[in-house]
Amino acid sequence: QSALTQPASVSGSPGQSITISCTGTSSDVGNYDYVSWYQQHPGKAPKLIIYEVSNRPSGVSNRFSGSKSGNTASLSISGLQAEDEADYYCSSYTSSSTLDYVFGTGTKVTVL
Amino acid sequence: EVQLVESGGGLVQPGGSLKLSCAASGFTFSGSAMHWVRQSSGKGLEWVGRIRSKANSYATAFAASVRGRFTISRDDSKNTAYLQMNSLKTEDTAVYYCTREAVPDAFDIWGQGTMVTVSS
Repeated sequence: QSALTQPASVSGSPGQSITISCTGTSSDVGNYDYVSWYQQHPGKAPKLIIYEVSNRPSGVSNRFSGSKSGNTASLSISGLQAEDEADYYCSSYTSSSTLDYVFGTGTKVTVL
Repeated sequence: EVQLVESGGGLVQPGGSLKLSCAASGFTFSGSAMHWVRQSSGKGLEWVGRIRSKANSYATAFAASVRGRFTISRDDSKNTAYLQMNSLKTEDTAVYYCTREAVPDAFDIWGQGTMVTVSS
């Protein structure tokens, strides 16, 4: 079971919108609506920002949104702010025999 | 305050053992599935394993990379989960996080992490 594939880096200017992709297989992203996204600032623990593909936990800004099409999930951030600069990871439940959950490779978001 | 606090990390030689603890507060620990996730320096997140609640028979599951070497247990009377790591390898070196599975298959509360270094 390989990690889900994410772009290594994405950048944007303040106020712009960006999208991060997360590509898996029919054993994980493509077969389950259990895709979640996490934001991680340097030296900090991950923070849940999207669950079940497109749901936001209480307290998470509505500038974050999620979607899925086939084997690829996406996280969009609108109105980019300096505080959004962080690493972002997707995760999915998987039917793989080697593990229950698989994370993405991670994307570094830079606010220019 | 809802929180998880890990402890027990440290330096251990290859082949050695270490037991991590995860103390929970501020929520109903006994009803929650608890997971362990690790992160090697500068690398991504890797799911390690989980233990379900008593209602789900305390069922455990592990990533293939640690299966047979790591076990997970919990003491609901102490609101604490444990990760017992045996036969440690250098590639087990990482920050280990415990996390709660709240909504299905998503992790909403994370500890601050505890560093495990496997080196001679």
